[in-house]
Amino acid sequence: DGGITQSPKYLFRKEGQNVTLSCEQNLNHDAMYWYRQDPGQGLRLIYYSQIVNDFQKGDIAEGYSVSREKKESFPLTVTSAQKNPTAFYLCASSISHTNTEAFFGQGTRLTVV
Amino acid sequence: KNQVEQSPQSLIILEGKNCTLQCNYTVSPFSNLRWYKQDTGRGPVSLTIMTFSENTKSNGRYTATLDADTKQSSLHITASQLSDSASYICVVSAILTGGGNKLTFGTGTQLKVEL
Repeated sequence: DGGITQSPKYLFRKEGQNVTLSCEQNLNHDAMYWYRQDPGQGLRLIYYSQIVNDFQKGDIAEGYSVSREKKESFPLTVTSAQKNPTAFYLCASSISHTNTEAFFGQGTRLTVV
Repeated sequence: KNQVEQSPQSLIILEGKNCTLQCNYTVSPFSNLRWYKQDTGRGPVSLTIMTFSENTKSNGRYTATLDADTKQSSLHITASQLSDSASYICVVSAILTGGGNKLTFGTGTQLKVEL
């Protein structure tokens, strides 16, 4: 099956710990994105990558880091510097950064305990 | 500032009834507008896309309209089913200087279809 896979579905983290969310796609898409979804707010862009070995900050990049070593993979690390990390995180991909049809993964719900 | 506003925030309807969701935007320069359906705890799935020159597009029981002059869009759901219960998100794309697009997401309308 072609698509985007995020793991894990649920993640619990203690305050002060870093945690990495996985995102893998087999759609052969060049562009990949990370969004954060909070209740009552629209999705907000954390980071995006237009091509392998390149990524750019989105609107709310502080406290997050990413890498794009492979076309298929775009992991997101939530660091201890992120003040309010509890949220629903969505990974998406598109054929290219100029193509607006984004295909989303099923999301990871991160809770800080 | 680019903004997308949706109304109502939530809606409850009986199975088989029709409903219309609204989206107003101030995104510029406009590229296209999409409606997504997001089931609880899942990722959004695209329903329709509309460009500047299109004013109506259908996808099964879903019909989207676009008025680019007033910067308004609507999503009409016909003969609702229980499986239509979800959040419906309006997403507007702006053309960036130098290429690429910037997506602005609405907060969504939470629809519940009841028996």
